[in-house]
Amino acid sequence: NAGVTQTPKFQVLKTGQSMTLQCAQDMNHEYMSWYRQDPGMGLRLIHYSVGAGITDQGEVPNGYNVSRSTTEDFPLRLLSAAPSQTSVYFCASSYSIGRGTAKNIQYFGAGTRLSVL
Amino acid sequence: AQKITQTQPGMFVQEKEAVTLDCTYDTSDPSYGLFWYKQPSSGEMIFLIYQGSYDQQNATEGRYSLNFQKARKSANLVISASQLGDSAMYFCAMREGNTGNQFYFGTGTSLTVIP
Repeated sequence: NAGVTQTPKFQVLKTGQSMTLQCAQDMNHEYMSWYRQDPGMGLRLIHYSVGAGITDQGEVPNGYNVSRSTTEDFPLRLLSAAPSQTSVYFCASSYSIGRGTAKNIQYFGAGTRLSVL
Repeated sequence: AQKITQTQPGMFVQEKEAVTLDCTYDTSDPSYGLFWYKQPSSGEMIFLIYQGSYDQQNATEGRYSLNFQKARKSANLVISASQLGDSAMYFCAMREGNTGNQFYFGTGTSLTVIP
């Protein structure tokens, strides 16, 4: 059972380059999300999706795009990388127990460590 | 205002003793969920325990328990009989059931277990 798979694990970019961080889950979860983790700041939500074709912005969406064409995949695109986007990126997916409740346990990928020079 | 506050950047505990990691939250939504995650030095995020706002009893999962004080808006994680493998970052998180799909994370507490 693969769970949530993120690729690549490490990436170095030059300022202005673009790239896509891949995220795939095999648990048929409806909810998927992207976070960035910076020292002393915990995890901050970038974008999330509640199902195929539906995405929404989180706390720090600027500089990132997402799409959700299938239930399994939720790629994160950096259009023009900046040094401020140096971070560790986590993808997560979740199911809900009881619609309308808040119990929505998220399962995380292993993370992508991105450096922008 | 911060949705989740963890005021202890770092904590130390002797092996086999219990430790409490603090978490306070802020929401006006009557339906919410509180989560604790562990992040060891290897970097993965591991789900530990969940508490719902309507749950009558404190959640427990093995050596982990959640001290839920609704009126004080606190959801402290208690780890009993600490082990060396418990050394990690611990994050408290919240999701509001009615007002959105976003999860909010605290800044984390680094726990070190001393042999």
